[in-house]
Amino acid sequence: QKEVEQNSGPLSVPEGAIASLNCTYSDRGSQSFFWYRQYSGKSPELIMFIYSNGDKEDGRFTAQLNKASQYVSLLIRDSQPSDSATYLCAGRGGGADGLTFGKGTHLIIQP
Amino acid sequence: DTGVSQNPRHKITKRGQNVTFRCDPISEHNRLYWYRQTLGQGPEFLTYFQNEAQLEKSRLLSDRFSAERPKGSFSTLEIQRTEQGDSAMYLCASSHERGSDTQYFGPGTRLTVL
Repeated sequence: QKEVEQNSGPLSVPEGAIASLNCTYSDRGSQSFFWYRQYSGKSPELIMFIYSNGDKEDGRFTAQLNKASQYVSLLIRDSQPSDSATYLCAGRGGGADGLTFGKGTHLIIQP
Repeated sequence: DTGVSQNPRHKITKRGQNVTFRCDPISEHNRLYWYRQTLGQGPEFLTYFQNEAQLEKSRLLSDRFSAERPKGSFSTLEIQRTEQGDSAMYLCASSHERGSDTQYFGPGTRLTVL
């Protein structure tokens, strides 16, 4: 059974600091990984995706993938109060199938 | 608005009633997905269409659930004989098979079964 694990938090980070969010997955067949941000009562909003080992940067966000360790992370630099949300990690297998989500990490940026 | 749209946004029904939700994907997207999300959990995959073909169904999708995408454009998700355990946010996402095949979510339909 495919599983994606995340620490539910809350993770509290001071404004301006780096927030580090982590995710592990069980299915070695997973090919690509996605980070979504979800505000309370809203639907998930895509932040970025990654499918190659290493780092991928987009503005203040950096995704990291280590397939050998089955580990995905998201770094948020210069954290802002508006970054306070639940961050969902999701993986997808080699076929065009649905995403397997973790339960999400609740991030709080303290002003 | 060129994003994924869902209707209705909220639905309150009594146990035992049937409900139907609609999803309109991003116009050029040929793949459409349904998920269900309950409080404190991540979205759970229900089913997936490529054009009009339903290619995958989760074991979560009981016989009371049925989804259609008759012309490969909008999709409907019907729940028959609703139960209180069906109360959740029902999310629709769409993607295109070319490129990253990234899924973009609609605003969701929140179902409350009394």
